[in-house]
Amino acid sequence: QKEVEQDPGPLSVPEGAIVSLNCTYSNSAFQYFMWYRQYSRKGPELLMYTYSSGNKEDGRFTAQVDKSSKYISLFIRDSQPSDSATYLCAMRGGNNDMRFGAGTRLTVKP
Amino acid sequence: DGGITQSPKYLFRKEGQNVTLSCEQNLNHDAMYWYRQDPGQGLRLIYYSQIVNDFQKGDIAEGYSVSREKKESFPLTVTSAQKNPTAFYLCASRLHGNEKLFFGSGTQLSVL
Repeated sequence: QKEVEQDPGPLSVPEGAIVSLNCTYSNSAFQYFMWYRQYSRKGPELLMYTYSSGNKEDGRFTAQVDKSSKYISLFIRDSQPSDSATYLCAMRGGNNDMRFGAGTRLTVKP
Repeated sequence: DGGITQSPKYLFRKEGQNVTLSCEQNLNHDAMYWYRQDPGQGLRLIYYSQIVNDFQKGDIAEGYSVSREKKESFPLTVTSAQKNPTAFYLCASRLHGNEKLFFGSGTQLSVL
């Protein structure tokens, strides 16, 4: 079993839709949870970072962490064609290693 | 401009050859990482280094080697023991105490 599981999609939605992206994990030591966005053949960029269970909002993006279920989510409201990219969840425990999910490829159609 | 630079952008390897991918950062970051990205598999950790002259194996270290002689440099050598090296390689760095990873623009390695 992989430490971090993420459905690779692809996921296609119409413009304006609410997008829900999810990851599950098995390592209880993970404490820091991130979402990265990657455009084709570029380095990923950090979108959201959370430390504890709960919600964190930044504009159209909301990150949610449920440590008891080992489940994290990213919601995108009012999705735009410019949101089309691959979204990767990432997490870290007490060590400095950073583990990533497989990435979900999202297309937002005008 | 501060940032993290990977070179070359494209690299071709002949069978039995070792090749080295360069990664340099001028952000004064402590930790540096190498990831391999294959289609549908996300980023898999090859090696990481927390400080100079120290590094740890990630999940797929076999067939790869690294060095960290200087804080700003973390080169990755893909050895002939790596039988399936074709992939997109990403280098990243991070300041201790900050969770944000800064990524380079990647190197696409292909086998001739």
